[in-house]
Amino acid sequence: DIQMTQSPSSLSASVGDRVTITCRASQSIGSYLNWYQQKPGKAPNLLIFAASTLQSGVPSRFSGSGSGTDFTLTISSLQPEDFAAYYCQQSYNVPRTFGQGTKVEIK
Amino acid sequence: QVKLVQSGAEVKKPGAAVKVSCKTSGYTFTSYDISWVRQAPGQGLEWMGWISPYNSKTDYTQSLQGRVTMTTDTSTSTAYMELRSLTSDDTAVYYCARYSSSWYEAGHWGQGTLVTVSS
Repeated sequence: DIQMTQSPSSLSASVGDRVTITCRASQSIGSYLNWYQQKPGKAPNLLIFAASTLQSGVPSRFSGSGSGTDFTLTISSLQPEDFAAYYCQQSYNVPRTFGQGTKVEIK
Repeated sequence: QVKLVQSGAEVKKPGAAVKVSCKTSGYTFTSYDISWVRQAPGQGLEWMGWISPYNSKTDYTQSLQGRVTMTTDTSTSTAYMELRSLTSDDTAVYYCARYSSSWYEAGHWGQGTLVTVSS
């Protein structure tokens, strides 16, 4: 199975901050990397697929980059509604494993 | 619009089985795979497996092999996930999600079904 490792596991940031979350795959997955946001008590919400393609309706302050084994999710200017958990997931093969998550909290 | 509506919360005793449904609408059911993902309380997301409503092909994560069965009913556009021999470790919210056929991203999710296993 492909292991997905996110860092950090949590972070504290202020509104307006630039936030970066990284995700590393245990083997090359090309661009088969997705990012999800999850708020408490809600289902995950797709933000980015194919490593860097913004899902329809997602604000442009979210961006993704990377290929192969190393990927990044960036929030250019953190907004109050962005405080949530973020998960990467590889869709290169099955099982389609998730990273352990990054919780973004208010500083 | 695409909708996935799951069945309600369940409480089961250890050793029992649970079957969660995921009724879809707003798209051609047989054109998109359905995956199931679970989340234990306070934990991360765990991918359980997927099923093709087109040909009923399935693939399950190794840790659940032999205990999980995913099925579909094309007449009602509904997907099902059955998990047997439940233990307290299976207490979680279970989600169904519709995957694309290109990059296999899950753009649409059900609301989740809480399954509690307790004696």
